[in-house]
Amino acid sequence: EAQVVESGGGLVQPGGSLRLSCEVSGFNFKNYAMNWVRQAPGKGLEWVSIISDNGGSTHYADSVKGRFTISRDNSNNTLFLQLSSLRAEDTAVYYCAKDLWLDPWGQGTLVTVSS
Amino acid sequence: DIQMTQSPSSLIASVGDRVTITCRASQGISNYLAWFQQKPGKAPKSLIYGASSLQSGVPSRFSGSGSGTDFTLTVSSLQPEDFGTYYCQQYNSYPITFGQGTRLEIK
Repeated sequence: EAQVVESGGGLVQPGGSLRLSCEVSGFNFKNYAMNWVRQAPGKGLEWVSIISDNGGSTHYADSVKGRFTISRDNSNNTLFLQLSSLRAEDTAVYYCAKDLWLDPWGQGTLVTVSS
Repeated sequence: DIQMTQSPSSLIASVGDRVTITCRASQGISNYLAWFQQKPGKAPKSLIYGASSLQSGVPSRFSGSGSGTDFTLTVSSLQPEDFGTYYCQQYNSYPITFGQGTRLEIK
């Protein structure tokens, strides 16, 4: 069964940085594009970023472009999201999900940006 | 960016009812549409991809249809466990975008 598990969230001050991780199992990670999606408290879903299977292509939402960086380690079946220059509006649960149609999802990791 | 508009924003229905949620794209997206169910405090769960293909393990009372700009998610006979918020998502082009969600309550 395909599974993804996010980690690395926490409380960070505005302007700070954080690195999220997503460990996967149950499928051949190196064959699939991977995404990050976030959900602010009480709000809807917002796609953040995608990386191709080999890491050679990435896309970002305008709201995070230039501040967040997606990457992957296919040797260790792990997806990353480097968050920098964090703002209060980046506070959200961050999910990773496989493929363009986003399946499966992990349980998410909460990022709180506050002083 | 492609805007996804869902209707209704919320609905209340009874067990056994047939329920339909619609999703409209601001431009044609072929069949590059997915549907998700999210329960409070939980991660979204994929129901349908490719507009009409059911994910493995999803009950057959869920179905999807549509192509181009207009799509529907139908629950043929509503069950108590079907409460939650439903989202559509287009993956025809970047940025990937979601509808605003439809909150479904069971009467």
